[in-house]
Amino acid sequence: GAVVSQHPSRVICKSGTSVKIECRSLDFQATTMFWYRQFPKQSLMLMATSNEGSKATYEQGVEKDKFLINHASLTLSTLTVTSAHPEDSSFYICSASREGFYEQYFGPGTRLTVT
Amino acid sequence: KNEVEQSPQNLTAQEGEFITINCSYSVGISALHWLQQHPGGGIVSLFMLSSGKKKHGRLIATINIQEKHSSLHITASHPRDSAVYICAVYTGSSYGKLTFGQGTILTVHP
Repeated sequence: GAVVSQHPSRVICKSGTSVKIECRSLDFQATTMFWYRQFPKQSLMLMATSNEGSKATYEQGVEKDKFLINHASLTLSTLTVTSAHPEDSSFYICSASREGFYEQYFGPGTRLTVT
Repeated sequence: KNEVEQSPQNLTAQEGEFITINCSYSVGISALHWLQQHPGGGIVSLFMLSSGKKKHGRLIATINIQEKHSSLHITASHPRDSAVYICAVYTGSSYGKLTFGQGTILTVHP
């Protein structure tokens, strides 16, 4: 149990376009979802925390107009990278947790390349 | 100084060896998570613990709350154990948020 999926696993887009990444909890209701970014050979950096039905809380330094997060249902959160630039190329990982529980379950990640 | 420190940063072992990865933290925590990340990038949760010891197959995790220290042990290591192992703590100051160690790169040679 507690499976989290992400789609797509890899995406290549052109500079200036927007790309949407989906994060789904497949067998549980995720009241909280987290979005991380990981640069090569570095640890995960939390971008934002989203609770179902409310606005995401962004970490300091993360542009909320650049990285749009929506958590419209208990099983789905989306991250949209708007007007993507090559510096947005990275590995994006989501995780999800159940209400009342600390444990986060991680998705397989999405590798974004902006050309 | 990072709130979560792992050692060693890099570890090379021969197949069959017993491996220990250490994690020390400087903040109060609610629980500690050991994660595994393979080269493809996906992260697998190995253990979450707040006291004592947990075992799953060849993996054992221990935590000493008083000493603010946790260890991950791998018995009879195998090349497929090669991965990055990450220690992360739930600090409790912001519910559900994790603070990550820098990771330990483990390479097990046949």
